Amino acid sequence: RKEVEQDPGPFNVPEGATVAFNCTYSNSASQSFFWYRQDCRKEPKLLMSVYSSGNEDGRFTAQLNRASQYISLLIRDSKLSDSATYLCVVNKGLGYQFYFGTGTSLTVIP
Amino acid sequence: NAGVTQTPKFQVLKTGQSMTLQCAQDMNHEYMSWYRQDPGMGLRLIHYSVGAGITDQGEVPNGYNVSRSTTEDFPLRLLSAAPSQTSVYFCASSYDRQTEAFFGQGTRLTVV
Repeated sequence: RKEVEQDPGPFNVPEGATVAFNCTYSNSASQSFFWYRQDCRKEPKLLMSVYSSGNEDGRFTAQLNRASQYISLLIRDSKLSDSATYLCVVNKGLGYQFYFGTGTSLTVIP
Repeated sequence: NAGVTQTPKFQVLKTGQSMTLQCAQDMNHEYMSWYRQDPGMGLRLIHYSVGAGITDQGEVPNGYNVSRSTTEDFPLRLLSAAPSQTSVYFCASSYDRQTEAFFGQGTRLTVV
């Protein structure tokens, strides 16, 4: 079983739509969780960290469910500029290794 | 503010050749790492370092060497390139294991 699993999509949504991505992780000892964004042929960049209590940054909301070992990302009022691949990232417990999901592709259509 | 700088951006090697991918960061981060990204596989950790003089293997270390003589630099060496090492390589640094990783722009390597 992969350490981190994501639905690869693609998700094609119209502008203004709300879209949600889920990610599951296998290591119950994992302690740090992130969502990264990667544009085509570019490096990944942090979108937001995911905290136990859930957190929001503008149109983006991240949630963590430790009992079910999944992380979610909700994007409201989608913009064309949100088109990218979204990577779920989980650390290996107390270790230094981070595991990346394969990414979920989002295209926002005019 | 340069952040993480990787060179070269593109490289074509012949099977059996060796080369070094350079990575430098100017944020005084202790933790640095190298990943490779292949279609359908996500980013996979090759090697990482938690400080100058300290390195360790990641998920896919075979065929690669690293060293960390300074806080700033973390080069990745391909000893004898193989077609299976065709990939996009990213260097990353972070303050510690709990915080955001900053990535370099990547090196697209093709081994023929």
